[in-house]
This record gives sequence, structure tokens and C-alpha cells, in this order.
Amino acid sequence: NAGVTQTPKFRVLKTGQSMTLLCAQDMNHEYMYWYRQDPGMGLRLIHYSVGEGTTAKGEVPDGYNVSRLKKQNFLLGLESAAPSQTSVYFCASRGGGVASSYNEQFFGPGTRLTVL
Amino acid sequence: GENVEQHPSTLSVQEGDSAVIKCTYSDSASNYFPWYKQELGKRPQLIIDIRSNVGEKKDQRIAVTLNKTAKHFSLHITETQPEDSAVYFCAAGPAGYQKVTFGIGTKLQVIP
Repeated sequence: NAGVTQTPKFRVLKTGQSMTLLCAQDMNHEYMYWYRQDPGMGLRLIHYSVGEGTTAKGEVPDGYNVSRLKKQNFLLGLESAAPSQTSVYFCASRGGGVASSYNEQFFGPGTRLTVL
Repeated sequence: GENVEQHPSTLSVQEGDSAVIKCTYSDSASNYFPWYKQELGKRPQLIIDIRSNVGEKKDQRIAVTLNKTAKHFSLHITETQPEDSAVYFCAAGPAGYQKVTFGIGTKLQVIP
């Protein structure tokens, strides 16, 4: 199993450009998450999904959109990139339910995005 | 919503000493408290978690304690080793949660 994968690993954008980050998981997980990690600010939730076809806003959703058309994929879009969106983006997934085995979030390797 | 505060932001210890990282949370509905470790350039990975019906949990050299009345929980690492050097994140959320809230992280440096 590949676990959680992210595409691309690195990207440089100019202000105003758009792009889509792809997250894929092969663990049949219900829940998927997009975080951004900035120095001194920890992991902040952008958007998340509790199942195929559903999405919800997290702490810092402005400037981002998401889609979960297939259970295994969660896409993060930047319509008009800004320098403030320079960050490392992590995707994560976890199983559904309240059992202990379902609580762990499995993270992808991250995407380093620079907006000039 | 939930607010998680974590301190210290950086911590240096001599190899073999103990390290303690503390977190507080605000939402009394939270009852699931995981800790993640992130090595330099790597992804965060779960190292231990605790639920509110348990006051302490141990796994070899790491332990987590929870004081639900005071709304704080702590990570204890004993006999630290250089490979323990990493950033540690605490988090809080309700069991069966849709999402958890992370602290800002603690950068632990173990000096050989």
C-alpha cells in the first residue's frame, strides 16, 4: 500500500496563477483533510471531507477550494495564488467511526508551495 | 471552537534526561488527545494518544497524562536519545471526531 500520496512535491507559482494539489489514499478512508504548515503556527486545517461528495471549511479556508468526487482523492485548489499562501501543504486521511483504530490520521509527504 | 495552547515552543535537553511538553485545551467536549512527531523534512506521525476515560498511558519511553478537570495534558519522554529530536504536536477533539485542533508544536533538541 502506498498510503497517502501527494502531487506535486514542489511548486513555484506567480501571484495570480492557479493550481490544484492532488491527494490520494488507498486505505479506503472516509475522512480526508488538508492542512497548511507555517513556522510557529503548527498545522492549520484548511478544508476537510467526511465522505465522498462532502466538504467542509476548517480554520483557514479563504482563498482555497476543495473537491472530493472520488472517495480516494481529495483535491485542493488555489484559484488566484497570493504570496501569503506560500507554505507546506499536508493532506491526511483517517478511517470513520469511533473505534480507537480509526482515530489515527495518516499524513502525506507534503507539498512545498512558493508564491512569488 | 477548540483552542489548543502548547508550550514550550523549543526545548533542549541532554541525552538521557527527560523532556516534558504541556498542552491546554478549551472545549470541555474534547475527549481525544493525540500526539504527533514530525522529524525534519518528514510528515507528522502519531506516536501516542489518550482518551478522557484514561488518566495516563505509557508506551516504552513515552507517556501521556491527562487532567480533564484542569483541561491540560502532557507528553513525557524519558531517557531521551538523539533520534527523539523532532517537532512534537499535541491535538484535541471529540472522540469520533470530524476534526482535531493542533497546537503550534514544540521543537525538541536532544544534545548528545
